[in-house]
Amino acid sequence: AQSVAQPEDQVNVAEGNPLTVKCTYSVSGNPYLFWYVQYPNRGLQFLLKYITGDNLVKGSYGFEAEFNKSQTSFHLKKPSALVSDSALYFCAVRDSGAGSYQLTFGKGTKLSVIP
Amino acid sequence: DAGVTQSPTHLIKTRGQQVTLRCSPKSGHDTVSWYQQALGQGPQFIFQYYEEEERQRGNFPDRFSGHQFPNYSSELNVNALLLGDSALYLCASSLGTGNSPLHFGNGTRLTVT
Repeated sequence: AQSVAQPEDQVNVAEGNPLTVKCTYSVSGNPYLFWYVQYPNRGLQFLLKYITGDNLVKGSYGFEAEFNKSQTSFHLKKPSALVSDSALYFCAVRDSGAGSYQLTFGKGTKLSVIP
Repeated sequence: DAGVTQSPTHLIKTRGQQVTLRCSPKSGHDTVSWYQQALGQGPQFIFQYYEEEERQRGNFPDRFSGHQFPNYSSELNVNALLLGDSALYLCASSLGTGNSPLHFGNGTRLTVT
């Protein structure tokens, strides 16, 4: 079975400061990893993904994430937070093995950027 | 370029009734997945459709069923509704069987009373 843990329900950061949203995963094979963002009463928007290759992945709106296989982590980062980054962030994992199509999400982390 | 569209946006049903939710995928996408998002939780995988067949199913009872049409649009049906079925139902589309990211609609908010 595959799973995702987002240990922080909420992260508060001051505008202009760097932000990190944590994610760890468990999967039997090699992982495909994703970050999504959700604004109130909306669906999820794709931010970035790790499939293979470089451990540092760059995505939309200045976000990046670092894949760490030994720690089974995929933390989301941004060098300078904006108030408009305030939203709900979801990490997700999928097993790269054949016949596996299910994307498993974490419970989400609410990011609040304080002006 | 239209994204994923879902209808209706809101729905109120009574316990025991049946409901049908509809989804049109993003242009060019051929795969549709359905998720249930309870309040304060992450989305839970219901099932995925590809080439008009259910390709994989999550841990949901048989009361949840679906269909994919030749134009790639999809329906989610839920029978014998329970109060616990109240949630946001999200449809997501993607391309093929690879690792392309999911594109989500804004969801259907189902309330069961």
